[in-house]
Amino acid sequence: AQTVTQSQPEMSVQEAETVTLSCTYDTSESDYYLFWYKQPPSRQMILVIRQEAYKQQNATENRFSVNFQKAAKSFSLKISDSQLGDAAMYFCAYRSAGGLNTGTASKLTFGTGTRLQVTL
Amino acid sequence: NAGVTQTPKFQVLKTGQSMTLQCAQDMNHEYMSWYRQDPGMGLRLIHYSVGAGITDQGEVPNGYNVSRSTTEDFPLRLLSAAPSQTSVYFCASSYSLTSAISYEQYFGPGTRLTVT
Repeated sequence: AQTVTQSQPEMSVQEAETVTLSCTYDTSESDYYLFWYKQPPSRQMILVIRQEAYKQQNATENRFSVNFQKAAKSFSLKISDSQLGDAAMYFCAYRSAGGLNTGTASKLTFGTGTRLQVTL
Repeated sequence: NAGVTQTPKFQVLKTGQSMTLQCAQDMNHEYMSWYRQDPGMGLRLIHYSVGAGITDQGEVPNGYNVSRSTTEDFPLRLLSAAPSQTSVYFCASSYSLTSAISYEQYFGPGTRLTVT
């Protein structure tokens, strides 16, 4: 079974600064997807960024980028120019590519989350 | 599109009571699932469905039942509520794997359930 580990329960960053959230995962599969979700106080789960394991290029979405190290099974999220609205819980998640098993492929395995605080 | 909707937003139950959490999506997604979120534990999969009439257990299925009679709806039933089921419940959906954009899951707004 896959596991996802987020070792930083809480992080703090000053507005306009850069912060990196860590995520490691364990899998025996070679094809999979990785995600970062943001959960603000509203509780809504919002997809921030995704990475396909077969792509060597790190994904980027505006101020959000990832450092995907497949051999090390590491998937960190970098937030640049942090804004007050970035304050939230951030979850790293893993999803198998699945092949013929659509049920297995559709399941998300989440880490325990990192609470990000943004200060003035 | 309304996306994924969940009702109710909040619910308080007494131990032993039963209830159904509703989930609906209007995106014609084949895959639907239920997660529970507990402090310090992230989201854990309860049950999932890959299409109408097909359901399967996730990581923490005990005490919950599901059914999928239509593509749109995926209700979660608590048969006899226990304090250990106090949690926030999320429903999610996505396209099937035959779609190139199948890997994104869309989440509902969640239901906060308290069992006393």
